[in-house]
Amino acid sequence: GDSVTQTEGQVTVSESKSLIINCTYSATSIGYPNLFWYVRYPGEGLQLLLKVITAGQKGSSRGFEATYNKEATSFHLQKASVQESDSAVYYCALSVATGGNNKLTFGQGTVLSVIP
Amino acid sequence: AQTIHQWPVAEIKAVGSPLSLGCTIKGKSSPNLYWYWQATGGTLQQLFYSITVGQVESVVQLNLSASRPKDDQFILSTEKLLLSHSGFYLCAWSRDWGGAEQFFGPGTRLTVL
Repeated sequence: GDSVTQTEGQVTVSESKSLIINCTYSATSIGYPNLFWYVRYPGEGLQLLLKVITAGQKGSSRGFEATYNKEATSFHLQKASVQESDSAVYYCALSVATGGNNKLTFGQGTVLSVIP
Repeated sequence: AQTIHQWPVAEIKAVGSPLSLGCTIKGKSSPNLYWYWQATGGTLQQLFYSITVGQVESVVQLNLSASRPKDDQFILSTEKLLLSHSGFYLCAWSRDWGGAEQFFGPGTRLTVL
């Protein structure tokens, strides 16, 4: 089946420093995977941060960027300068629409703590 | 604007007792609906999906069932809870099945004792 791997369970970064959260995927379902980053801020629900549905393209939102690298099967999340308000749990996910189902397969999540 | 509401916010239940969790979507007709579950320390995984009223497909067998009695309502239930049912349950909707992002509700925290 499909799988998503986030190698870092927890990341701590000082404010204004750069960030990278690694995400690799394996898609065995027939079809092209769509890739997503979701985020859950403290006290809030899970929300979409960015998505990319075409290999080679880059998505961006709120200063975060991620590039769909089909050759490396990666979708790393990056930000040049983090802020304390970026502290949250980040989930990488993929979906392949098959048989009428748009199933999201999630990674384990990465807890980001930004130190002021 | 579309809104998604889940109830209850949290539940503490005994092993062997019944369970019913609900989800309502307002502002969107004929959404695709999904149930996800995350065990403590685990990964979010899809349990059920529904693309129309009265039709629900199971993705993972966890001794749970789901129903869609109305276009805007999705119910998750079981007659007998297990300890392993503890976790966080999320309802989600999407506009269609082809690559569209899913919008999640606030979730229900279930503790089975």
